[in-house]
Amino acid sequence: EADIYQTPRYLVIGTGKKITLECSQTMGHDKMYWYQQDPGMELHLIHYSYGVNSTEKGDLSSESTVSRIRTEHFPLTLESARPSHTSQYLCASKSNEYNEQFFGPGTRLTVL
Amino acid sequence: QQQVKQSPQSLIVQKGGISIINCAYENTAFDYFPWYQQFPGKGPALLIAIRPDVSEKKEGRFTISFNKSAKQFSLHIMDSQPGDSATYFCAARSNFGNEKLTFGTGTRLTIIP
Repeated sequence: EADIYQTPRYLVIGTGKKITLECSQTMGHDKMYWYQQDPGMELHLIHYSYGVNSTEKGDLSSESTVSRIRTEHFPLTLESARPSHTSQYLCASKSNEYNEQFFGPGTRLTVL
Repeated sequence: QQQVKQSPQSLIVQKGGISIINCAYENTAFDYFPWYQQFPGKGPALLIAIRPDVSEKKEGRFTISFNKSAKQFSLHIMDSQPGDSATYFCAARSNFGNEKLTFGTGTRLTIIP
């Protein structure tokens, strides 16, 4: 079982609220990723990080922002949530030495 | 533009049968092809993966077949069991840059008794 954690697991909020989705891993991985996944659909990369102080946007345009101040922590923030942000958000991490990306359990976000 | 095409979208197989899921890709820079298994409410978990210099890889009941010239790869699940019921995603990774995974659209597999 991978040591990558996401909180909260479920979140229901109203439009206009600021939210932060937490992701942390204890494996010391340099590379971390955020994917967006609608139920039963493919995953789309929205952000990634090579390491501390490194963040890049992914393939899918997203109004969210990320930060990487510590190796183990990669939070995602939405300044003003909208119903179009309703989705599942999956965090993943990967070491430089091995190929496998480890995924967290995801946060299911619903914006009313 | 769908860089990794996956089929079928859903699949129903009888217990003990063989489940086959297919993927095709266009980008010749892809150098690593994993399959992920995802149960409802969980994140994807790596099932098995292959590199393009190998035509087949087997781990237990799971086999990847890889055809580099056709740019296709497939997952075979032998002796399918009800516990295999899940959504399966193929993916491909480019050999440079951020090592991001490009995912297929997923196949919902249901194994019936």
